[in-house]
Amino acid sequence: GAVVSQHPSWVICKSGTSVKIECRSLDFQATTMFWYRQFPKQSLMLMATSNEGSKATYEQGVEKDKFLINHASLTLSTLTVTSAHPEDSSFYICSARWGSEQFFGPGTRLTVL
Amino acid sequence: KQEVTQIPAALSVPEGENLVLNCSFTDSAIYNLQWFRQDPGKGLTSLLLIQSSQREQTSGRLNASLDKSSGRSTLYIAASQPGDSATYLCAVASGTYKYIFGTGTRLKVLA
Repeated sequence: GAVVSQHPSWVICKSGTSVKIECRSLDFQATTMFWYRQFPKQSLMLMATSNEGSKATYEQGVEKDKFLINHASLTLSTLTVTSAHPEDSSFYICSARWGSEQFFGPGTRLTVL
Repeated sequence: KQEVTQIPAALSVPEGENLVLNCSFTDSAIYNLQWFRQDPGKGLTSLLLIQSSQREQTSGRLNASLDKSSGRSTLYIAASQPGDSATYLCAVASGTYKYIFGTGTRLKVLA
């Protein structure tokens, strides 16, 4: 089956630092990957759509300069949270599209102190 | 703009009951609808995927139906077990394949 991995699974950082989260499709090529954010006791909210070789498309209200997305290959997309603040603490989940289906990564829990 | 709502928000039932979780969406132009399970602090586990041309999908004790015209999907869980306790999310994929998630139903099955 199609597998998507994320690294790291959890990260703690100090306020003001940047954190990079990787999303990899392990056994298929994904031209499109998606990044979601989930705050405690809330549902998943789409942040951005990442297309290989082009700029990401951000959802309304998501700061593109704060959440940098790079999709340099068909199997890897990265999300960098720049100048992280405590309010950025959340569960970040990526998904990779294969045909008409999406496969989700296990998530990365970010805690900003 | 697609909006996805799930009812009820929370549900507590005794073990062995059959139960129905509801999902409604505002835009019927969808590619597919997927039901997920999420345990506390964990990622998503895909349960059932229904393509827009399908009416239902079944897996074990789970059955999901889709009525695009009315913008509704239901997840039926037969003979519920304590291990079924989790948050259940439905998600709808539209034109650009991105998923819009519902608000979730927190299920607790009591032993």
